[in-house]
Amino acid sequence: EVQLVESGGGLVQPGGSLKLSCAASGFSFSGSAVHWVRQASGKGLEWIGRLGSKATTYATSYAGPVKGRFTISRDDSKNTASLQMNSLKTEDTAIYYCVLYDNSVDYWGQGTLVTVSS
Amino acid sequence: SYELTQPPSVSVSPGQTARITCSGDALSKQYVYWYQQRPGQAPVLVIYEDSERPSGIPGRFSGSTSGTTVTLTISGVQAEDEADYYCRSADSSGTWVFGGGTKLTIL
Repeated sequence: EVQLVESGGGLVQPGGSLKLSCAASGFSFSGSAVHWVRQASGKGLEWIGRLGSKATTYATSYAGPVKGRFTISRDDSKNTASLQMNSLKTEDTAIYYCVLYDNSVDYWGQGTLVTVSS
Repeated sequence: SYELTQPPSVSVSPGQTARITCSGDALSKQYVYWYQQRPGQAPVLVIYEDSERPSGIPGRFSGSTSGTTVTLTISGVQAEDEADYYCRSADSSGTWVFGGGTKLTIL
């Protein structure tokens, strides 16, 4: 059974930093691309960025609103991925989902809530 | 980047057929994926590559495409199908784009 578990969410002040983690099991993690998607309360899904697998030389791309502030990384030896978020803004408040994508199918974690507020 | 357009809401009675559309200029060249999101839960993939169904998804879910519009069809709608549905595609660089979502209400 595929399991993705995000952690690291919480309350942070504007301008602060937070690092989210995603632990995967029951899946070929190393061959998968890692995406992060967020959802503000009552709003739709917003793609944040992706980190490809070794086969794609770990290619990355990010959405405009987070480019230069957020960084996705992965540790294939531990089946984990991370989202480092810097210079956080109030509009970054959302549930953050880790998504693994491989062979046209994707799997989502349960999400972790990030609240940016003073 | 490009946009995907979905109707904000669709309503059907139990047992009827629900159709949710997703339109976008690039959809004639890119696959579409459909997600179901029940309240308080993470999205679940119900259709991939326009019309393929992942294992475990009921056969009443199907997808079709016509030009720049793709359609998610739920035949014989059940109460448990009430949820938000999102379409998603990608550009050539692997950037994902989501539609705004459609709230399916079972009357």
